[in-house]
Amino acid sequence: GAVVSQHPSRVICKSGTSVKIECRSLDFQATTMFWYRQFPKQSLMLMATSNEGSKATYEQGVEKDKFLINHASLTLSTLTVTSAHPEDSSFYICSAKGLIHNSPLHFGNGTRLTVT
Amino acid sequence: AQTVTQSQPEMSVQEAETVTLSCTYDTSESDYYLFWYKQPPSRQMILVIRQEAYKQQNATENRFSVNFQKAAKSFSLKISDSQLGDAAMYFCAYRTSMEYGNKLVFGAGTILRVKS
Repeated sequence: GAVVSQHPSRVICKSGTSVKIECRSLDFQATTMFWYRQFPKQSLMLMATSNEGSKATYEQGVEKDKFLINHASLTLSTLTVTSAHPEDSSFYICSAKGLIHNSPLHFGNGTRLTVT
Repeated sequence: AQTVTQSQPEMSVQEAETVTLSCTYDTSESDYYLFWYKQPPSRQMILVIRQEAYKQQNATENRFSVNFQKAAKSFSLKISDSQLGDAAMYFCAYRTSMEYGNKLVFGAGTILRVKS
């Protein structure tokens, strides 16, 4: 079945530094990738939608300059948390959708970010 | 905008028994998709079952089945013969069938505990 690889699975960084999270579709081409944030025992909150070759669409309340999303190819999207602060500590999950209309979404395993 | 409501923050079930998780949603669309996802402690999102709104027949996948009531905008998940491995957080999700709207809208989630 379709696999989405998300890397790293865990990262600890110091306040003020930037962290990049990668989301790769391993065996299919993903026209659209979604980035979610999840706090403990809470639901997934959509942060942004990225389409290959175009600017990401951010949800209301999500700072686009803080959470930089790049979708440069049909198999890779990256989320960069810039100038990270402790309040950015969270679980980030990506999902990817294939080329065919209404193809299913496939999720990565998530990244646990801790900012100290 | 579509919304998904899961009114049960936590549920418990005895092993081998049956449990039903509730989900209601709000939409003005007539064609859409509904999903149940399972998120075990590993945080991996696992698709449990999917229902197309235009299908009257309720979807089933082995021990998992849904009760889809379109007029009532209700989409409950029934787990039969519960197993210890079913313990997880369960999310109900909505997705429009329109081509531009691929994102999933999640409910708040229900934590399912399975007692041995």
